[in-house]
Amino acid sequence: DAGVIQSPRHEVTEMGQEVTLRCKPISGHNSLFWYRQTMMRGLELLIYFNNNVPIDDSGMPEDRFSAKMPNASFSTLKIQPSEPRDSAVYFCASSLNRVQETQYFGPGTRLLVL
Amino acid sequence: DAKTTQPPSMDCAEGRAANLPCNHSTISGNEYVYWYRQIHSQGPQYIIHGLKNNETNEMASLIITEDRKSSTLILPHATLRDTAVYYCIVRNSGNTPLVFGKGTRLSVIA
Repeated sequence: DAGVIQSPRHEVTEMGQEVTLRCKPISGHNSLFWYRQTMMRGLELLIYFNNNVPIDDSGMPEDRFSAKMPNASFSTLKIQPSEPRDSAVYFCASSLNRVQETQYFGPGTRLLVL
Repeated sequence: DAKTTQPPSMDCAEGRAANLPCNHSTISGNEYVYWYRQIHSQGPQYIIHGLKNNETNEMASLIITEDRKSSTLILPHATLRDTAVYYCIVRNSGNTPLVFGKGTRLSVIA
């Protein structure tokens, strides 16, 4: 199994530009999570989906952030417009939607907004 | 907010057992204790989880006190590759998101 796949692995962009982060969950997993990690705030949940439906997006910072899951094998996290304070590592994780299931994390996308 | 308390850092000599403590005094009856670790520049990695009984797998052992208010993760023979931040997480028995605290930064020293 290839595990959770994220792209790009690194992204450098200028303030005001649109950024799209992509995630392919492990095949067969029906829950998907987006986390963000910064030195100041640590690892924090942004949003998660069950069966492609957003369940809790209360962690999404503001309207500049949006996430979609058009099918079971793909999700995007979009930031428009991006700001320097969005610089962080963004992780995607997936799991089976069952009791006690383990979440498996991708390698992360390191975003730098100049 | 995280429901657990962990020491910010620990050192361990290579080849010795690493014992990482975690306090979760407000844990409720249906909440499990999960341990993850994050090696530098990688995503968090699942280690082990338990409810009441002690658990062991190929990576580690988890010892949970009888009152369930604290637990200890044991890496029996720490190697340099075990240097990482270790997170203790309390979570409901459903597929809920993980709430990460600051964790314990374990440094394994040669």
